[in-house]
This record gives sequence, C-alpha cells and structure tokens, in this order.
Amino acid sequence: DAGVIQSPRHEVTEMGQEVTLRCKPISGHNSLFWYRQTMMRGLELLIYFNNNVPIDDSGMPEDRFSAKMPNASFSTLKIQPSEPRDSAVYFCASSLVLNTEAFFGQGTRLTVV
Amino acid sequence: AQKVTQAQTEISVVEKEDVTLDCVYETRDTTYYLFWYKQPPSGELVFLIRRNSFDEQNEISGRYSWNFQKSTSSFNFTITASQVVDSAVYFCALSERNAGNMLTFGGGTRLMVKP
Repeated sequence: DAGVIQSPRHEVTEMGQEVTLRCKPISGHNSLFWYRQTMMRGLELLIYFNNNVPIDDSGMPEDRFSAKMPNASFSTLKIQPSEPRDSAVYFCASSLVLNTEAFFGQGTRLTVV
Repeated sequence: AQKVTQAQTEISVVEKEDVTLDCVYETRDTTYYLFWYKQPPSGELVFLIRRNSFDEQNEISGRYSWNFQKSTSSFNFTITASQVVDSAVYFCALSERNAGNMLTFGGGTRLMVKP
C-alpha cells in the first residue's frame, strides 16, 4: 500500500489567503485524523472522522478552519483566511478500526507570511 | 482527562550505549491503548508499537524493548546498542477506549546518538 498521501508537502502563502490541504488515507481504513504540530503546542488533534463523518472537531482552533471528507478516499483541511500563527506542520493519519494504530502521512509544512 | 508526560526533552548518547526513554500517562479509563512513534529528521511519524491496558507483558523487537507498568502508569522504551540511525524524536501517545483513536501525545524526547 502507498500509505497515507498528503499534498502539498510544502505550502507558502500570504496572510489572508485561502489554503487547502489534501489527504488520501490508506485504502480500507475507516478513521481519518488531522493533527497539527508546532514547537509551542506539540502534536494536537484537530478533527477526527469515522466512516467519513466528523466525530470530534473540538480541536479545530477557530471558524477559519474547516475539514471535509466527501468520500472514503479523500479529505481536505481548509484555512480561510490564513494567518501567520497557522504556520505549522499538518499531518493526516488513518486507521483501520477504532483503537488501533494510526498511520501518518508525511505532513504538509505550511508557512503563512 | 488524559495526559502523557515525557520528562526527558533531549537525550544524547554515544553509539552502542543503551538508552531508555520515559513515558508516564494519566487516564481515568480502565481500557486504554499506549503507543510509541518515531519522528526522524525527515519529519514523518513512524508507528513503532501499540499496547493494550489489559496486557502488561513486556515486548522486545530487535534492539527495541518496551516496559509497561500499570502500577506506575509508565510505558518506557529502551533501545539497546543504539545506532546513529536511531537519532530522532520519539513520541509516546495514549488513546482511551471511549475516545476512538484520538491520540494524546507527549511532548516528545529528542534522542541524539553520536558516532
């Protein structure tokens, strides 16, 4: 299997612009997660889908952040408008069933200037 | 609420030394799962191991071993005969049965193995 695939790997954008991060989970996995990694806050969960349905989005920092999972093989995380404090590495992960290990993509390094 | 503490922020050893990375967790759930992940300099997060709360048997995989002790709420990770390629940030994580796969990560321990 190709693993979790994220795109783009790097994104540099100007403050105020819309940013869309993409994720393709491992085929057959029914849980998908978006995490953010920063030096200050470490790894934090943003949102979690199970069978394409958002289960917990309490980690989404503000209304500027939104996530969708239109089908089992694709998810997006959108930031609109972006701000410099959104600069971080965003990871997507998927797992087969509940309470099993999650496999992570290579991450998207977002820089907002 | 669940919490994971990795008190060692950075460890430096010389190649071939053994090294233990500490992990202490807090949870109110009686069924939970513990994980270790490795983040090499390239940045990806690599899954290493998962343990269930009802299975305290220690595990060994090559040079890696894990010591799970519920009495002290610890899940420590030992690398035997460390190698330069082991240099990475290692994260301990916890998920509770009733929280799906929502991982709570510790702050990570940066391991530097010098030749």
